[in-house]
Amino acid sequence: DGGITQSPKYLFRKEGQNVTLSCEQNLNHDAMYWYRQDPGQGLRLIYYSQIVNDFQKGDIAEGYSVSREKKESFPLTVTSAQKNPTAFYLCASGAGTDLGQPQHFGDGTRLSIL
Amino acid sequence: GENVEQHPSTLSVQEGDSAVIKCTYSDSASNYFPWYKQELGKRPQLIIDIRSNVGEKKDQRIAVTLNKTAKHFSLHITETQPEDSAVYLCAASRRGSSASKIIFGSGTRLSIRP
Repeated sequence: DGGITQSPKYLFRKEGQNVTLSCEQNLNHDAMYWYRQDPGQGLRLIYYSQIVNDFQKGDIAEGYSVSREKKESFPLTVTSAQKNPTAFYLCASGAGTDLGQPQHFGDGTRLSIL
Repeated sequence: GENVEQHPSTLSVQEGDSAVIKCTYSDSASNYFPWYKQELGKRPQLIIDIRSNVGEKKDQRIAVTLNKTAKHFSLHITETQPEDSAVYLCAASRRGSSASKIIFGSGTRLSIRP
């Protein structure tokens, strides 16, 4: 099922470099989320946004930044302050501002360190 | 903070046998419990969910049971097939809340032996 597009599929970061992961949705969903997934672990929430021009920190926001200038887009920047960025990053969206409703996920971006 | 514990972390069953995965939640106000299936390198996809006003829900070979008193819920897969091999993620949330986020378990990697 489509609706949420993440790019790139694979991304490599050099020491001291900031990288940006793209997430676009055409589901007309209000809420968008970024999760980090490490091997053997579940999904940890990085940031979320319920409306345009507003976003909130999740459980592991340090070293990351986001923006929500358009309803369809919620890019995530992994900054050089994030010392262990290697992980699988998932973007998700949900209809309305109800944070407890089911979420639709993108195919993810796998970030590695060069 | 609120959390969801999921067990076991890995599970291997013979093809045709049943598999059971259990989750325990801490927020007694949780009223919605989705289960996601995540194949290797792919997005999590919602496979079944249950609300707190029912005790059991079935969909072909999968079923979910909920015990609100004990605050735990389980996923049951009968007549397992090779395509059932994946990571399964449970979650708990308060549907209808704009302030309470969905909480995911740590995942169970299910392997089906031929």
